[in-house]
Amino acid sequence: EAEVAQSPRYKITEKSQAVAFWCDPISGHATLYWYRQILGQGPELLVQFQDESVVDDSQLPKDRFSAERLKGVDSTLKIQPAELGDSAMYLCASSLSRLSQETQYFGPGTRLLVL
Amino acid sequence: AQSVTQLDSQVPVFEEAPVELRCNYSSSVSVYLFWYVQYPNQGLQLLLKYLSGSTLVESINGFEAEFNKSQTSFHLRKPSVHISDTAEYFCAVSGNNFNKFYFGSGTKLNVKP
Repeated sequence: EAEVAQSPRYKITEKSQAVAFWCDPISGHATLYWYRQILGQGPELLVQFQDESVVDDSQLPKDRFSAERLKGVDSTLKIQPAELGDSAMYLCASSLSRLSQETQYFGPGTRLLVL
Repeated sequence: AQSVTQLDSQVPVFEEAPVELRCNYSSSVSVYLFWYVQYPNQGLQLLLKYLSGSTLVESINGFEAEFNKSQTSFHLRKPSVHISDTAEYFCAVSGNNFNKFYFGSGTKLNVKP
C-alpha cells in the first residue's frame, strides 16, 4: 500500500537555528498539505499545494516559515530561525485532488523539539 | 468558517464495553466528515468518512459513525472496544473550500483491561 514518506522522524535543534523537513507524497497525488500539530491539539493547516503552486498559505508564519514543491512531487518545509514555540509535530498529507470529498493520507510526521 | 468541537478530551473505558466519542461541527455549507485515529508518535489514519447517502457509515474494525444534520453531529461509536483501540481520535470537516480540513482537538480513548 502506497504511503506518504517524511524525514526526519525526529529533530532536536536550538533556538535560532534553521531546520528543514521533507515529504514525499503518494505517487499521483496532486495536492500536498503541511500541518502543524501542537501537543494536545488537532492538526492545523500551514500550507496547501496543488501541483507546484501554493493555493493556501494563510496560516503559514511567512516571516520564518517557507515551503516549496518545485517539481510538483516532493516538498520541503523550512523554519528559519526556529523558536521555542515551534516545538510540535509536523505532518505532511496528500490527496488525489483538491475536491472537498477527497481523503487526505498522512505521513508519520516529524517531531520537532526546539531547545 | 467551519469548526469542529470534540467535547471529551479523554474517555476511559473497560475492555469489551461500548464507547461513544462525540463530535459536533459548525458550517454554513454542505460538509464532508471524517474520523481519523492516531497512535503514539504516528501520523493520522483514516477510520471512516461521510460524503453522502446513508447517514450511517462503518469502518472495517467495528467502528461506526452517524451523520446527524439537524444536530450537526458525527459521533463515533463502537459496541465493544479492545485494548488495541487505545489511541487518539480526531474528527475533521471539509466543505466547499477546496479540501481544507478543520480538525477537532482530539479525544484520547484509553481502554483498560
